[in-house]
Amino acid sequence: GAGVSQSPSNKVTEKGKDVELRCDPISGHTALYWYRQSLGQGLEFLIYFQGNSAPDKSGLPSDRFSAERTGGSVSTLTIQRTQQEDSAVYLCASSLGGPRDTQYFGPGTRLTVL
Amino acid sequence: GEDVEQSLFLSVREGDSSVINCTYTDSSSTYLYWYKQEPGAGLQLLTYIFSNMDMKQDQRLTVLLNKKDKHLSLRIADTQTGDSAIYFCAEIVGNDYKLSFGAGTTVTVRA
Repeated sequence: GAGVSQSPSNKVTEKGKDVELRCDPISGHTALYWYRQSLGQGLEFLIYFQGNSAPDKSGLPSDRFSAERTGGSVSTLTIQRTQQEDSAVYLCASSLGGPRDTQYFGPGTRLTVL
Repeated sequence: GEDVEQSLFLSVREGDSSVINCTYTDSSSTYLYWYKQEPGAGLQLLTYIFSNMDMKQDQRLTVLLNKKDKHLSLRIADTQTGDSAIYFCAEIVGNDYKLSFGAGTTVTVRA
């Protein structure tokens, strides 16, 4: 498709389970970003990829969070041993790759941890 | 606290102009953005402005930047019901790549 896609659109899980969230960036975009949107914290940056490498993981809230990107395209955000405070909308964005290039967002994955 | 601040709510009558305000604290902000989020949807880029500009107009949207006061505004002319959404102001500082967002302004358009 023409835009950033994310799956699943909604995920309900039980506390303690692991979840994987997927992002398909716009074709040709080398930069990929994960953000989290939650009621208490607003929109927060999580991690940034340039190609397959992640030069900035500073936004990941704990070591339960990890992300990878393969083939310079699809990225997976993994949350291990989910907690209720992980409930949020996880947004992915991609851009052409230069600093300050416009970031285009996907529709997000709404994660609910029971 | 956040480096980008916005008022939380705005109610406007259909057909009137809406003005959404934002202040930022980092004088080295280079690009400033307005994103729109409709219920249950992701973020849609509306417009952006470079820090060396004072104004940018795009159809019904006008962005004004006052660098001295670190103030950014988005004016929507002839506001329609489809403009009801949350509007986020965001900045990129210097040569950085991550967006820093304000809390968002919820705009409600009433008939």
